[in-house]
Amino acid sequence: KQEVTQIPAALSVPEGENLVLNCSFTDSAIYNLQWFRQDPGKGLTSLLLIQSSQREQTSGRLNASLDKSSGRSTLYIAASQPGDSATYLCAVRHNFNKFYFGSGTKLNVKP
Amino acid sequence: NAGVTQTPKFQVLKTGQSMTLQCAQDMNHNSMYWYRQDPGMGLRLIYYSASEGTTDKGEVPNGYNVSRLNKREFSLRLESAAPSQTSVYFCASRDRDWYEQYFGPGTRLTVT
Repeated sequence: KQEVTQIPAALSVPEGENLVLNCSFTDSAIYNLQWFRQDPGKGLTSLLLIQSSQREQTSGRLNASLDKSSGRSTLYIAASQPGDSATYLCAVRHNFNKFYFGSGTKLNVKP
Repeated sequence: NAGVTQTPKFQVLKTGQSMTLQCAQDMNHNSMYWYRQDPGMGLRLIYYSASEGTTDKGEVPNGYNVSRLNKREFSLRLESAAPSQTSVYFCASRDRDWYEQYFGPGTRLTVT
């Protein structure tokens, strides 16, 4: 069974820092990996989607990389802002319709 | 274009009561999903529907039933609620080409 782990569970950084969030998965036979943002009491908002054939995707200050063979993805956030404070989740598509989620990293960016 | 909508937003049930959670999407997606999210755990798939007229069990289907009413709507039913079903429930749909998921705002359910 696919297992997805996100470390650390929580992270607190001062505003302006560049930071990296980690996501690891046990079975490298994935089709894609998606990063989400979740604000307290809200649903999930898609940030980036990386297909299995891709190495990275970028959107604004966000860059996500994927290394399928080692079972890892990272989400890089440049010049962090207090508005980036949220929980970040990763999810892998393991087969046609099954998605597996990590438990998330709760990020706090201090002004 | 509302995306994925869910009703109700909040619900409190007594043990043994039943209820149906409603989900609708206006993106013309074929596939729809129901997840539950518990503290300290990632989202876990309850049921999914690959297309209108089909449904399949996910990781944690016990205690739930689903109906894919039409292409837009996918409902989740708790026949006899238990305290272990206290959770936040999310509905999602998926686009056909990129397999990107889109989520609703969630339903916060408490079973006492």
